[in-house]
Amino acid sequence: DQQVKQNSPSLSVQEGRISILNCDYTNSMFDYFLWYKKYPAEGPTFLISISSIKDKNEDGRFTVFLNKSAKHLSLHIVPSQPGDSAVYFCAASVGAGGTSYGKLTFGQGTILTVHP
Amino acid sequence: AAGVIQSPRHLIKEKRETATLKCYPIPRHDTVYWYQQGPGQDPQFLISFYEKMQSDKGSIPDRFSAQQFSDYHSELNMSSLELGDSALYFCASSQILSSYEQYFGPGTRLTVT
Repeated sequence: DQQVKQNSPSLSVQEGRISILNCDYTNSMFDYFLWYKKYPAEGPTFLISISSIKDKNEDGRFTVFLNKSAKHLSLHIVPSQPGDSAVYFCAASVGAGGTSYGKLTFGQGTILTVHP
Repeated sequence: AAGVIQSPRHLIKEKRETATLKCYPIPRHDTVYWYQQGPGQDPQFLISFYEKMQSDKGSIPDRFSAQQFSDYHSELNMSSLELGDSALYFCASSQILSSYEQYFGPGTRLTVT
């Protein structure tokens, strides 16, 4: 049962354009969402997060949008750079008071390729 | 800045052998998580520790055990290894009371032959 889904296995964009990575979830107990970037042979690197009480969080070129009613979040990268090419994982966590506090549930990942 | 340290980075074992993976969290982080990532799969949560006590358990086989020590480092012990245990094992750490964000180590690639 895949509780966090990234339906696009890959995405290819031109340098300077916007990259939009999407993520859907099914568990309504999730209240904190994170995006990780992963290069081959390295561990996931934390990028940006959002609490369920917000609908947008921005950090430099990265913006995460959360639509709780649709159980959908997206990561926007503007402008995209070749160095952004990596696998991007969406992850979700149940908050304090939940029985699985802190544990991350990951999506399958989306391979982003940014062409010069 | 100091990061999560995992050792060894690569490990080759034969079926039915035992393996021990080590994780050293970021200083002042009190929580450690272990994840397993099979080929082409997303990381799957195995187990976590907060202040040296097990805080949550995921899809960890009974053949595996783990603990967190007084210096907050953690060890994942894997016995009776099977071919299907071949995977990347990631350790992550966080300050559970101040942040949901987990910081991952580089992983240990375990190959069981």
